[in-house]
Amino acid sequence: QVQLVQSGAEVKKPGASVKVSCKASGYSFTSYGISWVRQAPGQGLEWMGWISASIGNTNYAQKLQGRVTMTTDTSTGTAYMELRSLRSDDTAVYYCARDGSTGPESFDYWGQGTLVTVSS
Amino acid sequence: SYVLTQPPSVSVAPGKTARITCGGNNIGSKSVHWYQQKPGQAPVLVIYYDSDRPSGIPERFSGSNSGNTATLTISRVEAGDEADYYCQVWDSSSDLYVFGTGTKVTVL
Repeated sequence: QVQLVQSGAEVKKPGASVKVSCKASGYSFTSYGISWVRQAPGQGLEWMGWISASIGNTNYAQKLQGRVTMTTDTSTGTAYMELRSLRSDDTAVYYCARDGSTGPESFDYWGQGTLVTVSS
Repeated sequence: SYVLTQPPSVSVAPGKTARITCGGNNIGSKSVHWYQQKPGQAPVLVIYYDSDRPSGIPERFSGSNSGNTATLTISRVEAGDEADYYCQVWDSSSDLYVFGTGTKVTVL
């Protein structure tokens, strides 16, 4: 069965960087893109960006341009999201989500989420 | 940027019908997807491409989309349907994904 398993919770200081991983299994990794979505405490879902798992091209939300980098390792079937220059308002649960099998506009499988806490 | 607006909350009695709206400029020209999120859990896709249901999602969940409003309808509501619901589209003009503001469904 399809699974996306994310790395564990992180605590970072303001100005630091964090790199979250998302290991895929149960399907052909390079056949679907991966998006990253975050959710601040008590808030809604915010799309951060998308990466093609096959060729690595990316598309980032404008507000995160310059601070976020998404990559994939096709040899291990793992996607990564790195966020730099962390601020307190980056505290959130970060999810990876796979493009839908019936079309790339929806997300049909999600990781369990990774809590990133930014605090001095 | 494209904005999707949802009512913050909807309350419904068990066995009744809940309707959750998602408003956006000419949203009827886009494909709308809906997610259910229970506390402490990742979102789950419940409706894709306006009205299709993934396998395992009860037929009680249905969707429609026309004009400036998309609607998720939950028939014969059960206590287990209590959750936050989000609509989502892909905005082709900006090549970006957009989520709605979210609606908390409370089963009375």
